[in-house]
Amino acid sequence: EAQVTQNPRYLITVTGKKLTVTCSQNMNHEYMSWYRQDPGLGLRQIYYSMNVEVTDKGDVPEGYKVSRKEKRNFPLILESPSPNQTSLYFCASSYGGGTRRVSTLHFGNGTRLTVT
Amino acid sequence: SQQGEEDPQALSIQEGENATMNCSYKTSINNLQWYRQNSGRGLVHLILIRSNEREKHSGRLRVTLDTSKKSSSLLITASRAADTASYFCATDGEGNQFYFGTGTSLTVIP
Repeated sequence: EAQVTQNPRYLITVTGKKLTVTCSQNMNHEYMSWYRQDPGLGLRQIYYSMNVEVTDKGDVPEGYKVSRKEKRNFPLILESPSPNQTSLYFCASSYGGGTRRVSTLHFGNGTRLTVT
Repeated sequence: SQQGEEDPQALSIQEGENATMNCSYKTSINNLQWYRQNSGRGLVHLILIRSNEREKHSGRLRVTLDTSKKSSSLLITASRAADTASYFCATDGEGNQFYFGTGTSLTVIP
């Protein structure tokens, strides 16, 4: 089954403790992206990747890191989480990247992160 | 911010009625997409309309696009309780960033 898999589904942590949220897709998509969703603010893009070893900042990249060492994986790293990073996070992937325009996004089921 | 806005923020209708929600955006686009989100779950793609198209249909969904007004509308006909969800528009603009609106929360009352 074609899917985007995020883990964990729920995560509660404390300020400053490094964490990684994993994202994997099995559709051979070039494009992958991370979003955070907050009430009243909709979805905001954190980082995106057009292909392996190619990453770019979205609208709200501060406090986050990403890496794209393999085509299927795009982990989101919070080196020193803070309470304002409490949010619902989504990973998405899409066919397209490089010179091809990105099209329909396929989303994971989300990771609800609470930083205390 | 290039983020779009949906209108209304919330909509409550009876089953069988039509639901219309609107999206406004700020910059030129290549295409506009509509997504649906069930509570707390990932977004699911509904329909894509290209900038050179004015109207598109898919089942009970009808999408219109007016690039001169930078706006789009999503019509769901003969709504069902299962249509209860949040609906988001997304535009691609320059580069390969996607910009999502703030969403319309639709409640369909059985």
